Amino acid sequence: GQNIDQPTEMTATEGAIVQINCTYQTSGFNGLFWYQQHAGEAPTFLSYNVLDGLEEKGRFSSFLSRSKGYSYLLLKELQMKDSASYLCAVRSMDTGRRALTFGSGTRLQVQP
Amino acid sequence: GAVVSQHPSRVICKSGTSVKIECRSLDFQATTMFWYRQFPKQSLMLMATSNEGSKATYEQGVEKDKFLINHASLTLSTLTVTSAHPEDSSFYICSARRGTSGSVAYEQYFGPGTRLTVT
Repeated sequence: GQNIDQPTEMTATEGAIVQINCTYQTSGFNGLFWYQQHAGEAPTFLSYNVLDGLEEKGRFSSFLSRSKGYSYLLLKELQMKDSASYLCAVRSMDTGRRALTFGSGTRLQVQP
Repeated sequence: GAVVSQHPSRVICKSGTSVKIECRSLDFQATTMFWYRQFPKQSLMLMATSNEGSKATYEQGVEKDKFLINHASLTLSTLTVTSAHPEDSSFYICSARRGTSGSVAYEQYFGPGTRLTVT
């Protein structure tokens, strides 16, 4: 089976930097995804890591350590619109379906 | 970009009736589509995986006779909730996978979701 853990809630200040952590346990690892989801909407893709290291994309960066089963999403220069849930998802090749297993999500509240 | 649509976006039905939700890939052919369910303040839970022209694969605990999935073409998959009950009220989201590559980062594209309320 798969197990994905991330904090339930986080609060940060506009303009600041926040790091959202995700730890996972899975076999047949084939990539880790971060999605942003606003209330009542579908998830939107933010980043993808399959190799160790940091992937940077504008204000968002994502890091992966496969040996530690650990990833984080880094958000810089926070804006009010960044208030949303952030979902960590792992893809496994085990079943052959390549479906994503999602963590419970981290609700980020950005304050003025 | 790849666009996935869902219809309807919201539906209210009475207990005991059936509801059909459509998921369409608008500008690409989807060999595989996934159906997720999300309860309030919870994450997405995979319900089933459907491949065009074959039977869907259901996750443990999901009743295949209650949640009927049909993937009749490369651009359309439907989820029918049969004999709906209030506990089936949820946010149903589909995603579509393009092609057969297993390593492309963006291969799953999510629809906008369908809010089902059973009264």
